[in-house]
Amino acid sequence: GESVGLHLPTLSVQEGDNSIINCAYSNSASDYFIWYKQESGKGPQFIIDIRSNMDKRQGQRVTVLLNKTVKHLSLQIAATQPGDSAVYFCAETGQLQGDMRFGAGTRLTVKP
Amino acid sequence: KAGVTQTPRYLIKTRGQQVTLSCSPISGHRSVSWYQQTPGQGLQFLFEYFSETQRNKGNFPGRFSGRQFSNSRSEMNVSTLELGDSALYLCASSLDLAGGTDTQYFGPGTRLTVL
Repeated sequence: GESVGLHLPTLSVQEGDNSIINCAYSNSASDYFIWYKQESGKGPQFIIDIRSNMDKRQGQRVTVLLNKTVKHLSLQIAATQPGDSAVYFCAETGQLQGDMRFGAGTRLTVKP
Repeated sequence: KAGVTQTPRYLIKTRGQQVTLSCSPISGHRSVSWYQQTPGQGLQFLFEYFSETQRNKGNFPGRFSGRQFSNSRSEMNVSTLELGDSALYLCASSLDLAGGTDTQYFGPGTRLTVL
């Protein structure tokens, strides 16, 4: 079946470095993509989103890149801080509101 | 503006029992979705409610059900609990003004443990 981001890799970076978290999706009909951050014991927190008519969107210290040709999504975090340590999920959805499909997540650890 | 709230935060039940979880969406949000999160399966979509109607449903057995009230608050019910139902149950709400895809904001979740 369709899926998003099949594995849970880990990424360890030094404080102050830039982080890049990647995600692959398989549903070419998906038109809305979101990155969420989940800290231990909390629900996912919205970080940034992008629609399929864009290939890049920037927020505060974060940038999302969408490559529809290879069905790849990435999240870039600039000047990573210890508070950025969490599991990051990419999610995608198509025409059906609420049917959001999540990747397995990437655990980001920031070393001081 | 208050975020999505879920009650209770923690629950312990035994096999065969049933449970009801509650979710209050962000004020003004009309769509409420429910997800199950487990270490093995990750985040999986259960169902979505809009205007008191179930609009979309994931691939879960009929033991999982839900409803939405006129004030957009939602409940989900799991009957005949199984050990595998132990999970973090997350509720998310969105505005859904135009009827299309919209950002979902999550609550803290209800941690259900089935013994």
